[in-house]
Amino acid sequence: DAMVIQNPRYQVTQFGKPVTLSCSQTLNHNVMYWYQQKSSQAPKLLFHYYDKDFNNEADTPDNFQSRRPNTSFCFLDIRSPGLGDAAMYLCATSRDRVPYNEQFFGPGTRLTVL
Amino acid sequence: AQKVTQAQTEISVVEKEDVTLDCVYETRDTTYYLFWYKQPPSGELVFLIRRNSFDEQNEISGRYSWNFQKSTSSFNFTITASQVVDSAVYFCALSESDSGGSNYKLTFGKGTLLTVNP
Repeated sequence: DAMVIQNPRYQVTQFGKPVTLSCSQTLNHNVMYWYQQKSSQAPKLLFHYYDKDFNNEADTPDNFQSRRPNTSFCFLDIRSPGLGDAAMYLCATSRDRVPYNEQFFGPGTRLTVL
Repeated sequence: AQKVTQAQTEISVVEKEDVTLDCVYETRDTTYYLFWYKQPPSGELVFLIRRNSFDEQNEISGRYSWNFQKSTSSFNFTITASQVVDSAVYFCALSESDSGGSNYKLTFGKGTLLTVNP
């Protein structure tokens, strides 16, 4: 089945220690998104890639970076995780960057910062 | 700024009851799209429905139905004869363009936690 895969499902890191979360998709979609979701809150968009074009949200901290080496993979790098970065990180894809395309979500990576 | 309000933070019902989840939105766009997503305990958001601003027809899919009313800026979701498997967080979302008009993103409401008890 075509899908969005996130690894790992659970990630524990130490305060200040860089961490990378990965996302892959078999849908061949042009757009990939990264969301941060804290407990009992709505997902918050961090950034997205439209093909190789990177689009950062204005309020995304510099601590968060992303890479998309090819259509299938996208990475979220947190350079110096703080306690406030503990959250669920959701990857999503959509076929194209148009308002009517639904997004397909992965299962998320739950990040714990010690 | 565009906004989505889900006033109900949590709802608890007994199996087989009908339940309606409310969603009210604000937008300056004349063309926009509304979505409902379900997030079960496993964490993955699952797309349920999309509605565009020009189509106010209500929609029914099995036990699910949606009532879109532009006059009240509402897009409510009803589950008929609820089941334990319906227990999840449900998010209403609005697709909006950014200030440049070339990017689109989903603005989510805060979600409603639905618990269906046996």
